[in-house]
Amino acid sequence: DAGVTQSPTHLIKTRGQQVTLRCSPKSGHDTVSWYQQALGQGPQFIFQYYEEEERQRGNFPDRFSGHQFPNYSSELNVNALLLGDSALYLCASSSWGVPSNQPQHFGDGTRLSIL
Amino acid sequence: DAKTTQPTSMDCAEGRAANLPCNHSTISGNEYVYWYRQIHSQGPQYIIHGLKNNETNEMASLIITEDRKSSTLILPHATLRDTAVYYCIVRAVYGNNRLAFGKGNQVVVIP
Repeated sequence: DAGVTQSPTHLIKTRGQQVTLRCSPKSGHDTVSWYQQALGQGPQFIFQYYEEEERQRGNFPDRFSGHQFPNYSSELNVNALLLGDSALYLCASSSWGVPSNQPQHFGDGTRLSIL
Repeated sequence: DAKTTQPTSMDCAEGRAANLPCNHSTISGNEYVYWYRQIHSQGPQYIIHGLKNNETNEMASLIITEDRKSSTLILPHATLRDTAVYYCIVRAVYGNNRLAFGKGNQVVVIP
């Protein structure tokens, strides 16, 4: 049973460029959340997708956008890259439900470096 | 989101039980306590969660105080592979499903 998979594992970009990161959720999960983890810090919530719609958003600028596909996979897009966008980007999947106490399961992330 | 307080770091002896404390004095009635850990260069790994009763699984035990203001994660027999950053997180059951991570507790298991 495959867990959460993310691609690519590493990526190098320059300032001003755009990047797309991809995530496939764990089998049976329909909700995808994205987190940004700067060096030495805990992950910070970016946004969450369910039924192809953004359901929640953290304190991130509009340069960060996402998409969810009918097969529940998701993309994170970042435009006009800044040096401060260098981080580990984590995808987490879960099952939607209200109420829900089911845990989110994480992939190993994409390491994005901005030069 | 309710905030949690953990030690910045701690050492544990290999083969002994490791007791990781967490304070969450502002927790509300519909919030669960979750524990994750992150081994270097990997994504966070879910360990265990609970509401008010003690919980145990194959990885660890979670002890929550009766007033729910603090909890302890117990790794029964720490191994070198348990060296990681451990995060204690409080998460609401309704509405807000995001995980609010702090800086965590860097746990080092010493031979």
